Amino acid sequence: EAGVAQSPRYKIIEKRQSVAFWCNPISGHATLYWYQQILGQGPKLLIQFQNNGVVDDSQLPKDRFSAERLKGVDSTLKIQPAKLEDSAVYLCASSSTEGSKNIQYFGAGTRLSVL
Amino acid sequence: AQSVAQPEDQVNVAEGNPLTVKCTYSVSGNPYLFWYVQYPNRGLQFLLKYITGDNLVKGSYGFEAEFNKSQTSFHLKKPSALVSDSALYFCAVRDTGGSYIPTFGRGTSLIVHP
Repeated sequence: EAGVAQSPRYKIIEKRQSVAFWCNPISGHATLYWYQQILGQGPKLLIQFQNNGVVDDSQLPKDRFSAERLKGVDSTLKIQPAKLEDSAVYLCASSSTEGSKNIQYFGAGTRLSVL
Repeated sequence: AQSVAQPEDQVNVAEGNPLTVKCTYSVSGNPYLFWYVQYPNRGLQFLLKYITGDNLVKGSYGFEAEFNKSQTSFHLKKPSALVSDSALYFCAVRDTGGSYIPTFGRGTSLIVHP
């Protein structure tokens, strides 16, 4: 079974530039999550999708961050414009249903450096 | 609001010795508790979870965790550590009485010395 795919693995940009990350979850997984992991901290949930609908985006900084999952499969997370404090690893995860009991499967992440 | 605390930034243990990585939580309802492991440049991997039932949960790679409701703890344990267990370990909680948003601890670096 293929895992969660993310690209790119690394990205370096200057502040005020835009950046986008892509995630392809495990086939058949209805729930998709985007996390931000700042160095030395645990992952923080940014947004959770159930199919193509948003379940929770309460921790997403909506003035600069956006995410979509148009066809209920792969997803993109965008930052526009980026700030220095956005430097982090962005993790995508998926699970088979929205139920909170379910195990999340994580991708390797995209490491973003904002200069 | 729910929260997770991992009081130790780093745990050092000799190979072959038992290990414990501590986790305490705070929720308004009942907790769903998880442990994940992260190796360098890799995503998080699921180790084990507690939903209900037996307080002692067994997981992958010989790890286990004990749910203690009175102490609001869910410590990760292994009877005999391996050098290959060296990694970053994260405890996570979801609150059945709250929003179901998963909250992760800040992680504990486990170093197993040969």
